[in-house]
Amino acid sequence: AQKITQTQPGMFVQEKEAVTLDCTYDTSDPSYGLFWYKQPSSGEMIFLIYQGSYDQQNATEGRYSLNFQKARKSANLVISASQLGDSAMYFCAMINAGNNRKLIWGLGTSLAVNP
Amino acid sequence: ETGVTQTPRHLVMGMTNKKSLKCEQHLGHNAMYWYKQSAKKPLELMFVYNFKEQTENNSVPSRFSPECPNSSHLFLHLHTLQPEDSALYLCASSQGQNFNQETQYFGPGTRLLVL
Repeated sequence: AQKITQTQPGMFVQEKEAVTLDCTYDTSDPSYGLFWYKQPSSGEMIFLIYQGSYDQQNATEGRYSLNFQKARKSANLVISASQLGDSAMYFCAMINAGNNRKLIWGLGTSLAVNP
Repeated sequence: ETGVTQTPRHLVMGMTNKKSLKCEQHLGHNAMYWYKQSAKKPLELMFVYNFKEQTENNSVPSRFSPECPNSSHLFLHLHTLQPEDSALYLCASSQGQNFNQETQYFGPGTRLLVL
């Protein structure tokens, strides 16, 4: 079964420190894409970063990087130099050829950045 | 206006009311989506439109009726809803060419409360 698992319901981090949000996925399809989104309390789902299953290098976007461990089926999000504005829900999602157009979502991790 | 917009942002309706949610995207995309986000549940895909044609109806009750008059606009018509339909309704869009890789961009959502 295709599934996304985020095992950390809530996380705390001190401002300016780095934090890792965990995501594991399950699929038998060799071609898939992994996404991370941020959802502040306002509700909008904001795209952060994408990793394709055939990408040779880990994706990076500014302070966001994706630690892609294909053999372990994990795609952890690393946020460096945390800021107060990073406090939000973070969702991991997957799409693949066998599930065309359907993003499979995790339950999310709530991140709180402390000053 | 840029990105994906949704109106209204908040809506309270009785079970006998009829209302509509509106979504507009300014990204030149061809695919549009409706999602439902309830507490403690993963995001649920409701409908997908690609080039104005409905390509996905994820077993959504008929009290939800989508309409896509063109690639930039998407509506969700609501009638005789139930209290359990109270949720955040998110609209998204994507290019609509290669669904395995393309990113979905979301609007701010409509928070719906059914009394």
